[in-house]
Amino acid sequence: DAGVIQSPRHEVTEMGQEVTLRCKPISGHDYLFWYRQTMMRGLELLIYFNNNVPIDDSGMPEDRFSAKMPNASFSTLKIQPSEPRDSAVYFCATAGLARTGELFFGEGSRLTVL
Amino acid sequence: GDSVTQMEGPVTLSEEAFLTINCTYTATGYPSLFWYVQYPGEGLQLLLKATKADDKGSNKGFEATYRKETTSFHLEKGSVQVSDSAVYFCALSDRPGNTGKLIFGQGTTLQVKP
Repeated sequence: DAGVIQSPRHEVTEMGQEVTLRCKPISGHDYLFWYRQTMMRGLELLIYFNNNVPIDDSGMPEDRFSAKMPNASFSTLKIQPSEPRDSAVYFCATAGLARTGELFFGEGSRLTVL
Repeated sequence: GDSVTQMEGPVTLSEEAFLTINCTYTATGYPSLFWYVQYPGEGLQLLLKATKADDKGSNKGFEATYRKETTSFHLEKGSVQVSDSAVYFCALSDRPGNTGKLIFGQGTTLQVKP
């Protein structure tokens, strides 16, 4: 199994630009989570999906952030327009049917907004 | 709401020293408890877990016991190695065995020196 695959691994952009982060979950996992990690705030849950449906988006910081899961094998997190304070590592994590409570994390996308 | 509190880091130890990282939690129900580890440049991965009171989770020489009376889940290892240098996260899930969202602590950085 390839694990959770995220792209890009690194993104450097200028303030005001649109950023799209991508995630391919582990096949068969029906939960997908987007987390943001910063030194100041630690690990924050932004949104999560179950069977491609958003369940809780209360962690999305503001309307500039949006996430979609058009099918079971793909999700995106979009920031438009981006700001320097969005600089962070964004992780996608998935969980499967076994209900063990274990999350499988991707390697993260490091975003730098200049 | 539910929360997790970890001891602040960084923790710096010499190789073969004894490790304790404290974790306490607040929860209204009967959570499952987890320790995740993040090695440099990687995503988080599950280290160990416990699903009910008095359970002991163990893996790779690490142990943690679910203490309901003290609402704690402290991580211990008898003899650390340089390769254990990483960030350690304590987490809880509000429903045992559920793959719903996890609540993470702030993380504790461990540095082991040769």
